[in-house]
Amino acid sequence: GAVVSQHPSRVICKSGTSVKIECRSLDFQATTMFWYRQFPKQSLMLMATSNEGSKATYEQGVEKDKFLINHASLTLSTLTVTSAHPEDSSFYICSATPGLAVSSYNEQFFGPGTRLTVL
Amino acid sequence: GDSVTQMEGPVTLSEEAFLTINCTYTATGYPSLFWYVQYPGEGLQLLLKATKADDKGSNKGFEATYRKETTSFHLEKGSVQVSDSAVYFCALGGAMNRDDKIIFGKGTRLHILP
Repeated sequence: GAVVSQHPSRVICKSGTSVKIECRSLDFQATTMFWYRQFPKQSLMLMATSNEGSKATYEQGVEKDKFLINHASLTLSTLTVTSAHPEDSSFYICSATPGLAVSSYNEQFFGPGTRLTVL
Repeated sequence: GDSVTQMEGPVTLSEEAFLTINCTYTATGYPSLFWYVQYPGEGLQLLLKATKADDKGSNKGFEATYRKETTSFHLEKGSVQVSDSAVYFCALGGAMNRDDKIIFGKGTRLHILP
């Protein structure tokens, strides 16, 4: 149980275009979803936290107009990288928390990640 | 603020060697502690966890004990395999009813040679 999927797994786009990444909790309702960014050989950097039906909370230094997050339902969150540039190329990982009804300590379950390459 | 420090890699071992990856943390309150593993090209998988002091998490031959007195959560395995080659992240998360955020260490890359 507690499976999180991401789509697409890999995307290549031209500079200036927008890219949408989906994150779905397949077998549980996620009260909170998180978006991370991982640079090569580095740790995960939390970008934002989103709760269903409310605006995402962005970490310091993350441009909210650049990285649009929508948490439309308890099983789906999307990250849209707007007007992507080569420096946005990275590995984006989402995670989801089922809430205390399922996990006694708000464990996060991670998606497999999306590799974004901006040419 | 809360933080996690883990030994820098890469760590290279021969198959069947003993593994220790050190991890220490700084936190207020009583966090949960985790080890996550990331295989090449994949997302993170929870390897093991401990939610209170003196708890021992274990999975796939890996173990880690939540030591409050030394604020440590070192990862150990008695006999590593080539398939254990991956990046290992130590992490801490809020206790119940606290902030959901997880704070990760920088990761330790492990290479196991056949």
